[in-house]
Amino acid sequence: GDSVTQMEGPVTLSEEAFLTINCTYTATGYPSLFWYVQYPGEGLQLLLKATKADDKGSNKGFEATYRKETTSFHLEKGSVQVSDSAVYFCALSDSLAGGFKTIFGAGTRLFVKA
Amino acid sequence: EAQVTQNPRYLITVTGKKLTVTCSQNMNHEYMSWYRQDPGLGLRQIYYSMNVEVTDKGDVPEGYKVSRKEKRNFPLILESPSPNQTSLYFCASSLRLAGTYEQYFGPGTRLTVT
Repeated sequence: GDSVTQMEGPVTLSEEAFLTINCTYTATGYPSLFWYVQYPGEGLQLLLKATKADDKGSNKGFEATYRKETTSFHLEKGSVQVSDSAVYFCALSDSLAGGFKTIFGAGTRLFVKA
Repeated sequence: EAQVTQNPRYLITVTGKKLTVTCSQNMNHEYMSWYRQDPGLGLRQIYYSMNVEVTDKGDVPEGYKVSRKEKRNFPLILESPSPNQTSLYFCASSLRLAGTYEQYFGPGTRLTVT
């Protein structure tokens, strides 16, 4: 079945450091890929998405490129801020699999130190 | 304000005592879903609904029931809760855009079953 694997955390960075959170997936069809962010005590919010191979999603300085050849969707940001401290979830939605199933990774907690 | 609301936000109950967690959205979304979040496991889909009176099982449906009698509401019912259902629960509603789903999450319900 479909699955999402993302790097284990926590990831601890200093402010202005470069961020990469790795995400790889397996899917039977042609999934859409997402990054969601969860701030402390809140629900998840959509950060960015990509719907087909080679698409780049971007938002708030974060980017991720849909790489079909490596089945990856790594999240990057050039310069993190303390306010980026949160849990980040990679997810896929495979409409060809039928229905409305979304598979999430386990989440990666990011701490950014001032 | 567009939002997904859940009630209650916190609930402590005892094994076997039936409970309902309500979920309501004001965005006229057709798709709604329930997830549970457990440490190290990310979010796992319990049930989803693609329209009024249309529901289907997600990955972990055992011990849960749902109903979708109105478009805006999607309650989660635990007929006989057990301690292994202690978790953080999220409701989400979704907009389908160009074949993909963008999900909007509620703030979560933390359930403890003793």
